[in-house]
Amino acid sequence: AQSVSQHNHHVILSEAASLELGCNYSYGGTVNLFWYVQYPGQHLQLLLKYFSGDPLVKGIKGFEAEFIKSKFSFNLRKPSVQWSDTAEYFCAVANTNAGKSTFGDGTTLTVKP
Amino acid sequence: NAGVMQNPRHLVRRRGQEARLRCSPMKGHSHVYWYRQLPEEGLKFMVYLQKENIIDESGMPKERFSAEFPKEGPSILRIQQVVRGDSAAYFCASSPLTSGSSYNEQFFGPGTRLTVL
Repeated sequence: AQSVSQHNHHVILSEAASLELGCNYSYGGTVNLFWYVQYPGQHLQLLLKYFSGDPLVKGIKGFEAEFIKSKFSFNLRKPSVQWSDTAEYFCAVANTNAGKSTFGDGTTLTVKP
Repeated sequence: NAGVMQNPRHLVRRRGQEARLRCSPMKGHSHVYWYRQLPEEGLKFMVYLQKENIIDESGMPKERFSAEFPKEGPSILRIQQVVRGDSAAYFCASSPLTSGSSYNEQFFGPGTRLTVL
């Protein structure tokens, strides 16, 4: 069975600080990887996704993530956060056949102005 | 092209009543997924449906919960005899028909927030 682990439940940063949110998964097969963001009171939005190819994936709003197969990791990064990045971030994994995604428990990011 | 639509956005029920949550997938999407988000937790998969078929219901509680995706109309998640522990946000996602081994991204709706009094 797939599982996803997000290392930090709550991260607090000041504006302009760099961000890295950890995500590790367990699944032996080929996977598709996602990061979603959920702003307060809103629904999930896709930040970025990895299906194949270049393991460094660039998403919206300056976010990027690196797939390291040997470490089963897909960490999310942003060089300089803004107050508007305050939200909850979810890492998700799916195998390459259509079907469910397995989500991590989420990391709440608070950016102080 | 409208996104995934869910209604109602907020639903309040008393213990023992029934809750019906609706999900209209994006146009052209024939796969629907239901997830539940409990307070302070991530999304947990409940069920995956295609038109008139349940493909994977491994995340559905054994009792009181059912889901359908009829040939016509929205997908329905039905919770009978609700209890306080059913209070959560229920999200629906849809994806288009897959081809071969390619995986299609899931698009999420705004969710239905169920409160059981």
